Amino acid sequence: GQSLEQPSEVTAVEGAIVQINCTYQTSGFYGLSWYQQHDGGAPTFLSYNGLDGLEETGRFSSFLSRSDSYGYLLLQELQMKDSASYFCAGGHGSGNTGKLIFGQGTTLQVKP
Amino acid sequence: DTGVSQDPRHKITKRGQNVTFRCDPISEHNRLYWYRQTLGQGPEFLTYFQNEAQLEKSRLLSDRFSAERPKGSFSTLEIQRTEQGDSAMYLCASSPRQGRVRTEAFFGQGTRLTVV
Repeated sequence: GQSLEQPSEVTAVEGAIVQINCTYQTSGFYGLSWYQQHDGGAPTFLSYNGLDGLEETGRFSSFLSRSDSYGYLLLQELQMKDSASYFCAGGHGSGNTGKLIFGQGTTLQVKP
Repeated sequence: DTGVSQDPRHKITKRGQNVTFRCDPISEHNRLYWYRQTLGQGPEFLTYFQNEAQLEKSRLLSDRFSAERPKGSFSTLEIQRTEQGDSAMYLCASSPRQGRVRTEAFFGQGTRLTVV
C-alpha cells in the first residue's frame, strides 16, 4: 500500500526550531514534497526532495533518505504565522504525472 | 492570472441532488488535479488531466463522480445523487508539465460541500 506517517501535532515557541518527521511506505514513489495549509486556506508548496539530502529554502529545510523511507521538514526561527498544518506528500506513479499521496498532516502551534 | 480559482467556494445541497464545481487553473498549466479533503486529513487524489485527457482516476471516485476538462482549460467535477459522505472540501490544483519542481502543484481555495 501507499501511506505516509507524520505526527498529528507539534507545539513550539516563537523563535525556536522544530522538526516534523515523515515516514512512508509506498511503491512507485518518487520524491517527497512538503505543503503548508492554514485554516481555511489552500495547501501551498514549501519544498521538494527528489534525491537524498538536504534542501534549504530560507527558514525552511527539508531532508530525504530514500534508503530509510524517511524525511523531515525543519522550520527555523519560528514565527506566529507558521502556525498551520504541514503535509508531507509523495510523488507517485510512472510518467511523472505529478500525482501526490499526502500524509494526514501535522498541526504546528507556535506559542509566544 | 493570480492563481487557481474555484467556484463556488461553498455549496450546501440536499442528499440526492446533483452538484457541479468549476476549476480554472493557472493559464499556462497543462496539468490539472482534483483532490478531496476531509477535516483533519490530508488531501486525497481523485483524478488527473493532462490537457483535455483524463489520464488517471482514483478508485475513490465512484460512478457518481465525473470530471471533464473540455479544451484543456477549465475543469468541472460533477457529483450525482449526493450522499452525506460526500461532504468534504474539493480542491483543484494545477502544474506545468515542465515545472521547476516535479511535484510543485498550485492549489485553489477549494469548494466546501455540505450535504444535508
